[in-house]
Amino acid sequence: EDQVTQSPEALRLQEGESSSLNCSYTVSGLRGLFWYRQDPGKGPEFLFTLYSAGEEKEKERLKATLTKKESFLHITAPKPEDSATYLCAVQAPGNQFYFGTGTSLTVIP
Amino acid sequence: DAGITQSPRHKVTETGTPVTLRCHQTENHRYMYWYRQDPGHGLRLIHYSYGVKDTDKGEVSDGYSVSRSKTEDFLLTLESATSSQTSVYFCAISESTGTDEQFFGPGTRLTVL
Repeated sequence: EDQVTQSPEALRLQEGESSSLNCSYTVSGLRGLFWYRQDPGKGPEFLFTLYSAGEEKEKERLKATLTKKESFLHITAPKPEDSATYLCAVQAPGNQFYFGTGTSLTVIP
Repeated sequence: DAGITQSPRHKVTETGTPVTLRCHQTENHRYMYWYRQDPGHGLRLIHYSYGVKDTDKGEVSDGYSVSRSKTEDFLLTLESATSSQTSVYFCAISESTGTDEQFFGPGTRLTVL
C-alpha cells in the first residue's frame, strides 16, 4: 500500500535554530515528491518538486533533498514567519497523489 | 496567487441532503482535483479531472461524484450527505501532466449534522 509518513508531528525551534523535517514514503514507481506549506485556515502553498534520488532544491531558508525512500526539508536559521505546517506528497502512477499528515513547525522569537 | 475560487466557503447541512461544491479557475489549467482534509489523515484525493468531461477516481471517491462541463469549473457533489463527510474540501489545479505542482484553493468547510 502506498504510504507517506512525516516526522516529527510537531517541532518547536528557537529563531535561528536549524533543523530538518522528514518524509518517508513507500510508493512504487514514484513520479514526483512535493513539499507544501500550509498556514492555518488556508490551502497548501507549493514549495518544491523533486523527481529523482539525489536531487536537491533550495528556496531562501529551505532546502529539500530526496533519496530512494525519503525526503528531508532542511530549515536553516528559521524565522517566526516560517511557522506553518509543512506537507509532503508523492505522486504514484495513475495520477494518484498521497499526502502525509504534516509537521507543525513553530519558530519562537 | 493562482486564480482559484471555491464556493461556498462554509456550509452547514443535514444528513441526507444533496450538496454541491464548486471550484472555479481562471488559469486555463488542464488538471483539477478535489481533496478532503481531516485531522490525522492529511489530504486525501477524492476525484480528479484531466479535461472537460474526463474524470477519474481518487483514494476516497465513495459517496462523491464530480462533473466538469467547462475547463474552468469542477463540481463536487455529495448525493446524500453523511456526518462522515464533514471535512474541509480543497480544490487544486495543475498545468499539464500532473507532475507539475498543484495550486490549491482556499477551501470549503462543510459540516453535516
